Amino acid sequence: DAGVIQSPRHEVTEMGQEVTLRCKPISGHDYLFWYRQTMMRGLELLIYFNNNVPIDDSGMPEDRFSAKMPNASFSTLKIQPSEPRDSAVYFCASSWTANYGYTFGSGTRLTVV
Amino acid sequence: KQEVTQIPAALSVPEGENLVLNCSFTDSAIYNLQWFRQDPGKGLTSLLLIQSSQREQTSGRLNASLDKSSGRSTLYIAASQPGDSATYLCAVSGSGGSNYKLTFGKGTLLTVNP
Repeated sequence: DAGVIQSPRHEVTEMGQEVTLRCKPISGHDYLFWYRQTMMRGLELLIYFNNNVPIDDSGMPEDRFSAKMPNASFSTLKIQPSEPRDSAVYFCASSWTANYGYTFGSGTRLTVV
Repeated sequence: KQEVTQIPAALSVPEGENLVLNCSFTDSAIYNLQWFRQDPGKGLTSLLLIQSSQREQTSGRLNASLDKSSGRSTLYIAASQPGDSATYLCAVSGSGGSNYKLTFGKGTLLTVNP
């Protein structure tokens, strides 16, 4: 298995633009998590899905952020419109359980200028 | 609200030295505690998992302990090697209905010098 695949690896965009981050979880993993990592706040859970259904999105910072999981092999995190304070590394992780056995992707480094 | 603190923020040691990384958490009602490793530009790799009922876990040169009542965990690395250089993150999961939610510390950046 190729692990959790995230794309793009790097994204530089201008303030106000729409940004879409993509994630392909490991086949057979029922849980998918989106995390954001910054120097100031460390790693924070944004949202998680179980069997493609969003269970907890309380970590999503604002309405500008949205996430979808249309099927078991694909998820997106969208930011519209993007702002400089959204600059961070966004990680996707999947697991066969809710609380351990995570496999993380390599992350998407987002820079909003 | 759970808070996780890791001390020190950075540590530099010569190769071969044994070392201890510390993690503390404010709410002892946890489901489990995990230690992760993060290499630059990479995702996180799970190293050790300790369930709330356990006191320690070992994997090779790594040993993690948990004292839930005092809200502390340590990661012991024996005979450190340059390949151990990375950021080490501690994370706890909540109990009850929030056991999926990992709260991470900010990590300890370890450098092992040859």
